[in-house]
Amino acid sequence: GESVGLHLPTLSVQEGDNSIINCAYSNSASDYFIWYKQESGKGPQFIIDIRSNMDKRQGQRVTVLLNKTVKHLSLQIAATQPGDSAVYFCAEKLQGGKLIFGQGTELSVKP
Amino acid sequence: KAGVTQTPRYLIKTRGQQVTLSCSPISGHRSVSWYQQTPGQGLQFLFEYFSETQRNKGNFPGRFSGRQFSNSRSEMNVSTLELGDSALYLCASSLAGVEGTQYFGPGTRLLVL
Repeated sequence: GESVGLHLPTLSVQEGDNSIINCAYSNSASDYFIWYKQESGKGPQFIIDIRSNMDKRQGQRVTVLLNKTVKHLSLQIAATQPGDSAVYFCAEKLQGGKLIFGQGTELSVKP
Repeated sequence: KAGVTQTPRYLIKTRGQQVTLSCSPISGHRSVSWYQQTPGQGLQFLFEYFSETQRNKGNFPGRFSGRQFSNSRSEMNVSTLELGDSALYLCASSLAGVEGTQYFGPGTRLLVL
């Protein structure tokens, strides 16, 4: 049969505002999580990662928060810029090593 | 340092055929992972190779296979192509594996008719 395209959630923010992108993961045994950014026509780009023994990790303008109780991951981008416009994916690594990706969120930054 | 390269960039095949895609990792990287990206299923992990050994595998049928050579270059093969195999196939290389920074190539766009 025909495949139905994913309708990505979209987050639209004003330039300079902070962005929060959320992700629910599926497996409580996952021990490692990653956020990727994918711009149109390009492969994904690693942004930041976090291990399951942490609940927060900061990078340059980005922060990842992990809430294992509700299996929730978020990516915060400070002072969002037009160059941040992209699709953002979270991924979880199962203990066996397999990566599972979220459906992605499209971030649109209005100048 | 040159990035990850994938060849070919675009490919058109017909159902039942087989296809081989190639990935050259960044120099010094020993891990190569393969991913399939489609509008319907999103980004899915195929497998990971490290030092010529398949270390991890996703949930794809046996028609999808791969290998890695001693110079870390990797190939993936899809046999008996189906329409649903139409996708962007991405490879990523890293020093150690799927953890940490993986560098993705531009992908090979496969269309199965």
